[in-house]
Order: sequence, then C-alpha cells, then structure tokens
Amino acid sequence: KNEVEQSPQNLTAQEGEFITINCSYSVGISALHWLQQHPGGGIVSLFMLSSGKKKHGRLIATINIQEKHSSLHITASHPRDSAVYICAVRGGSEKLVFGKGTKLTVNP
Amino acid sequence: DAGITQSPRHKVTETGTPVTLRCHQTENHRYMYWYRQDPGHGLRLIHYSYGVKDTDKGEVSDGYSVSRSKTEDFLLTLESATSSQTSVYFCAISEPTSGSGWDTQYFGPGTRLTVL
Repeated sequence: KNEVEQSPQNLTAQEGEFITINCSYSVGISALHWLQQHPGGGIVSLFMLSSGKKKHGRLIATINIQEKHSSLHITASHPRDSAVYICAVRGGSEKLVFGKGTKLTVNP
Repeated sequence: DAGITQSPRHKVTETGTPVTLRCHQTENHRYMYWYRQDPGHGLRLIHYSYGVKDTDKGEVSDGYSVSRSKTEDFLLTLESATSSQTSVYFCAISEPTSGSGWDTQYFGPGTRLTVL
C-alpha cells in the first residue's frame, strides 16, 4: 500500500518567511499533486509534477523521484497563504492517494 | 473556477435513513469522483466514474453506491446511513490530458453530513 507522509503536520510562520513543506511516499509513482485547502474548506489544485520543478508565483514545487520526496516552497509568505497543504500521489493503481495535510498559519 | 456544485451543502440525518448527495458539473469533464474527508485521514476515494454509466469502487466504498446517468451529474447514495458516515464529502472532476483520468482534479465546495 502506498503511504504518503507529510511534514510538518503544523507550521506557524511570520509574514515574509520562506516556507518548506515536505512529502514522502513509499512506492513508485507516475505523478505527484500539491493541493491547497482554504480555511473555508475549498480545495484547489496547485501543481501536478512528475519530475524536476514547477513554479507559479511565489509557490515552487520540486520532486526527487529517486528519493521519493517532494517539497512545496512558499517565498515571502503572507497571511493569505494560511491554509492546509495536501500532497497526493498517483501510483500503480492510477488512483490518487492523499497525505493528511500540513496546516500552515502565517502571522502578520 | 471549474463549474462544480454539490447539493445539499449541509445535511443532518438519522441513522438508518437513506441519503443522496448530488454533484453537478458544467465542464463536460469525463471523470468524476466522490471523496470523504475525516480528521486524522487524508482524502479517501469512495467511488469514481470514467463515463456515463461507468463507475468503479474506491478504497472506502462499503455502504455507498453511485450512479451516473448523464455526463453532468454524479450521485452518491448512502442506502442506510450510519454514524461512521458522518463526514465532509467532496466531489471532484477531471479530464484526461496525459492519457490518465487522474490528472488535475477540480473540487466542489463539499457537503457536510452528520448522521445522528
């Protein structure tokens, strides 16, 4: 069974700080997703990647297939970045397996 | 934002009653999914559909059934609700781009279901 582990579970930062959220998984995958769940509950897909790095605005996602590890970075964090960030992987079954999420709080 | 709505948004029901949740999309996406989200767990797949009348089970399908009679609607039915089915239910849609239906998914706003 593919397990997806995220760290840390909770993260508190000051506005402007550089944020890193980590995701590790246990089996070979074809793609990895990062999603954001707003405090109101809505879920938005941020990235889908299978190798290398992707960037969108202040968000950067990287993946190391050999080490079975991905990171989500937020530069110049802002209180509006406060959310739960969820990692999900697509393995051999093609279905997505989700991590439990990392709750980020950015204080002004 | 992808056009996905869920109804109802909130529901309180009693153990043993049937419940149907509806997911409606205006994007004409081929794949539709039902997930549940519970504290201490990641999102878990209940059922999914890869076309009209084509459905398959996810990892937590026991106690749930689904139907998809047209592209835009995907119904989730709890035949006899139990307290363990108290959860937040999310519908999602996707359209295969890289050959897989499990590409970027767009989520509905969620339905909070409480079974007393």
